[in-house]
Amino acid sequence: GENVEQHPSTLSVQEGDSAVIKCTYSDSASNYFPWYKQELGKRPQLIIDIRSNVGEKKDQRIAVTLNKTAKHFSLHITETQPEDSAVYFCAASIDYGQNFVFGPGTRLSVLP
Amino acid sequence: NAGVTQTPKFQVLKTGQSMTLQCAQDMNHNSMYWYRQDPGMGLRLIYYSASEGTTDKGEVPNGYNVSRLNKREFSLRLESAAPSQTSVYFCASSWRDRAYEQYFGPGTRLTVT
Repeated sequence: GENVEQHPSTLSVQEGDSAVIKCTYSDSASNYFPWYKQELGKRPQLIIDIRSNVGEKKDQRIAVTLNKTAKHFSLHITETQPEDSAVYFCAASIDYGQNFVFGPGTRLSVLP
Repeated sequence: NAGVTQTPKFQVLKTGQSMTLQCAQDMNHNSMYWYRQDPGMGLRLIYYSASEGTTDKGEVPNGYNVSRLNKREFSLRLESAAPSQTSVYFCASSWRDRAYEQYFGPGTRLTVT
């Protein structure tokens, strides 16, 4: 079955710097890759996603890139702010979401 | 419009006890999901229901049963709780043709002693 790895497990950046989180997946049939943000004690929330027919997608300060050949995708956050501090989860699905496999998460801390 | 609601928020069980976690959504979604979240392991899918009347196993179904009571409600039952089932449980819902856009409930923190 699908296996999703995520690195780093923790990441600290200075406010205003960029943050990059990488995920790799094992099943080449995976076709949908969302990113979720989970603030402490709260529910996960979808922040951006990408489908396998697209190489890059941007939404304001957040972007996701996908390399299907290498089977990895990355989350890029520019001009980080303290409210970006959270745990970020990547996921992969072979059926556009019915059966997600999540990565273990990255705890991002944005230092003022 | 409450979105996805879960009860209870917290629960402590002794090994061998049973309980049912409740989930309801008011967004008229077709599909509903149960996940568990353990430290350092992300979210793992237990069961999902693509539409009313159907349920399917996810990644970690052993020790759990589910019931899709109607379109709004999807319950998760632990028949004989074990310490390994100590976790935070999240319910989620989505449109069937937009399964990628899942909305999560606030979670239930379950401790089995």
